[in-house]
Amino acid sequence: ETGVTQSPTHLIKTRGQQVTLRCSSQSGHNTVSWYQQALGQGPQFIFQYYREEENGRGNFPPRFSGLQFPNYSSELNVNALELDDSALYLCASSSDSYNEQFFGPGTRLTVL
Amino acid sequence: AQTVTQSQPEMSVQEAETVTLSCTYDTSESDYYLFWYKQPPSRQMILVIRQEAYKQQNATENRFSVNFQKAAKSFSLKISDSQLGDAAMYFCAKYNFNKFYFGSGTKLNVKP
Repeated sequence: ETGVTQSPTHLIKTRGQQVTLRCSSQSGHNTVSWYQQALGQGPQFIFQYYREEENGRGNFPPRFSGLQFPNYSSELNVNALELDDSALYLCASSSDSYNEQFFGPGTRLTVL
Repeated sequence: AQTVTQSQPEMSVQEAETVTLSCTYDTSESDYYLFWYKQPPSRQMILVIRQEAYKQQNATENRFSVNFQKAAKSFSLKISDSQLGDAAMYFCAKYNFNKFYFGSGTKLNVKP
């Protein structure tokens, strides 16, 4: 059984650019959630996808968008990057929206 | 407001002893889920324990147990027989209305 994987591991962008982060969910999971974790803080919920539809969203602006594919893998897109977007982005998959989440290792995004 | 508060930024415990991590939360609903997650240094976040709010019985997983006080909106985690491998950041989290809310975390140090 393959766990949750994320790519890339690290990424450096400049302010104003766009970025796409990718997540492969664990086998058998149909739900993916994305989080932003700033250094020394708890994860902040960005949004959740359930069977290819956005199922819930946190307090993030529309420039944070996502997709979930038929194989339940997912992408997080961030447009018009700002310095404050620098953080660890975590992806988590689960067999339903409220069940145990299995987290990936994260993508470390640095915006210069 | 839907917030999760962890009032102890850092705690220490002697190996083999017991420690309790505190968590309080806000909610206006009666149906929700509560979680404790562990994030070891430079490692992936993993679920420690999960509690459904409609269940009165406190959840237990081996050395980990919770004290769920629904009326007080309190959800503390007790770790018995602490081990060196328990050293990590611990996050309390709540799920309802298709959104997750995480606390700011408690760093647990385990002394040999």
